[in-house]
Amino acid sequence: GESVGLHLPTLSVQEGDNSIINCAYSNSASDYFIWYKQESGKGPQFIIDIRSNMDKRQGQRVTVLLNKTVKHLSLQIAATQPGDSAVYFCAENRKGNAGNMLTFGGGTRLMVKP
Amino acid sequence: EADIYQTPRYLVIGTGKKITLECSQTMGHDKMYWYQQDPGMELHLIHYSYGVNSTEKGDLSSESTVSRIRTEHFPLTLESARPSHTSQYLCASLKQGGEQYFGPGTRLTVT
Repeated sequence: GESVGLHLPTLSVQEGDNSIINCAYSNSASDYFIWYKQESGKGPQFIIDIRSNMDKRQGQRVTVLLNKTVKHLSLQIAATQPGDSAVYFCAENRKGNAGNMLTFGGGTRLMVKP
Repeated sequence: EADIYQTPRYLVIGTGKKITLECSQTMGHDKMYWYQQDPGMELHLIHYSYGVNSTEKGDLSSESTVSRIRTEHFPLTLESARPSHTSQYLCASLKQGGEQYFGPGTRLTVT
């Protein structure tokens, strides 16, 4: 069928290097942000989240940074591995009339070279 | 591991057929969502529900319809499939105060 939206940008890194994936969000009132990883043929999987009262949160090999001043979110992956190759989406929690709603960013394809 | 299921995983069907994509979750989540995603492209919200008997259209216009008769079940129906409906359809449910859990998706091809 006809494609909807834009093709995803690609980040190519060498195995063992650190990766930084960036995301700009739109709503200054958003209070919760999530990074998802989507491997080929699968649904998105939760990686890490951060609330708006924090600037940084760390997980296992991943760190999320939130800059509310410029509405920017980043995901840092330490010592990138071939298994990290996937599409990464950021999502912001947008408060709607009847409850909360996630708005997804465009996504970035991460390719890890062995 | 999220308990959200989608069937079928793959479907190839002819133009004009009526199809229903199934989505079920066993987590008791009230909020459920359907997204459409073309390969290598963005996720677009097409329908959502905040509970039984609640359904709303999402940001992307879609010819599909949904129903929510039971909390755990959120099927999506296309009355007359067309090649333009070829895409991947992802179902999700929302953990209260937390993240959305996604199903594995249904890849639909209409010939």
